Amino acid sequence: DTEVTQTPKHLVMGMTNKKSLKCEQHMGHRAMYWYKQKAKKPPELMFVYSYEKLSINESVPSRFSPECPNSSLLNLHLHALQPEDSALYLCASSQWYRAGNTIYFGEGSWLTVV
Amino acid sequence: QQQVKQSPQSLIVQKGGIPIINCAYENTAFDYFPWYQQFPGKGPALLIAIRPDVSEKKEGRFTISFNKSAKQFSLHIMDSQPGDSATYFCAASIRGGADGLTFGKGTHLIIQP
Repeated sequence: DTEVTQTPKHLVMGMTNKKSLKCEQHMGHRAMYWYKQKAKKPPELMFVYSYEKLSINESVPSRFSPECPNSSLLNLHLHALQPEDSALYLCASSQWYRAGNTIYFGEGSWLTVV
Repeated sequence: QQQVKQSPQSLIVQKGGIPIINCAYENTAFDYFPWYQQFPGKGPALLIAIRPDVSEKKEGRFTISFNKSAKQFSLHIMDSQPGDSATYFCAASIRGGADGLTFGKGTHLIIQP
């Protein structure tokens, strides 16, 4: 079983709503990631946090706002989303900067924007 | 991020057969090559991974073959079972994945009983 926990598993939100996705890991990992996955497509990297600091933002629209309150938690704040943002949002974590670094994924949060 | 090319897009194999999924890359800075297995409705789960200083790695029924000069690597599943039916993604990363993973497009594998 994965040790990266994501909540909620399913979320339906309107285009004017504000919601958040949450991710938690207790493996002592210092890197955490958000990926977006559309149906029948590979995961696409959105954000990378290392030591609680945003290190990579893959040109993600500002309606997605990441936050890393501490080394175990990662949030993704959602505001004014579009229907095309409906997807599986995956959180992942890893040890960071180590050869052969294993990246562990959570089960994902299914987001539907209506 | 540099592309990782994966083939075939879909694959149907009889139970007990050996499905083979191939990936090719261009960026010689890649230093870590994992394979992920994803079942419908679930997140990707790490299956097996290899570093470029190793030509082959085996874990249970799963084997990665790596050809550094050709910049190619492949996944072999021995004695395949219907429970292996899933989508398989190859991936590659730099600095051990510190900058995230570059995924192939995935292979939808069906193992027929």
